[in-house]
Amino acid sequence: SYELTQPPSVSVSPGQTASITCSGDKLEDKYVCWYQQRPGRPPVPVIYQDSLRRSGVPERFSGSNSGNTATLTISVTQTMDEAVYYCQAWDSYTGVVFGGGTKVTVL
Amino acid sequence: QVQLQESGPGLVKPSQTLSLTCTVSGDSIRSGGHYWNWIRQHPGKGLEWVANIYYTGSTNYNPSLRSRVIISVDTSKNQFSLKVSSVTAADTAVYYCARGKLELRDFYAYDMDVWGQGTTVTVS
Repeated sequence: SYELTQPPSVSVSPGQTASITCSGDKLEDKYVCWYQQRPGRPPVPVIYQDSLRRSGVPERFSGSNSGNTATLTISVTQTMDEAVYYCQAWDSYTGVVFGGGTKVTVL
Repeated sequence: QVQLQESGPGLVKPSQTLSLTCTVSGDSIRSGGHYWNWIRQHPGKGLEWVANIYYTGSTNYNPSLRSRVIISVDTSKNQFSLKVSSVTAADTAVYYCARGKLELRDFYAYDMDVWGQGTTVTVS
């Protein structure tokens, strides 16, 4: 089955740039989307089709996908961006696949 | 505004069948164009996709759960449902329903743009 791998955690200082990676075999041959989840809340879609921002998502969120790695970048990170971020892709055999999630800490 | 609302018992006994329903408002399942999903999240863990269904009844399942899971749709009620049989404590989780879209561009793109608030199911 297809797998997506994310680092468990990323720390960033306020105002700096956070980069969250998502790795998978030939991931550039799939479209990746990203979700943000705050504690006790359902996931909120952030990025779809690798780099398109969902309506209402701040411009500081951007996405890319090349080779075996997709990246969610949060520029000028704010304390409100502290959350767990999940990547997700579609695999023809496995169906919907999520990465394990990356907890972003802003400190 | 599209909204999804999960409903079902919060407590299920081991070996029994867990049954959940997702009621959709603001969109018609019958209109097509979207897949309707169940996703679960074990306490303190990540997201696990369970299954999805199209209004025609076409289904996709997580291979690891396929043998115990059935997803169904009732277009007349604008609802879709999930049944998980022979539950154990490992099925204790928050269960979310979500609307998804599958598009073929250079490759397949699939994302879920509307999620329910989730319902907690405990097997005990």
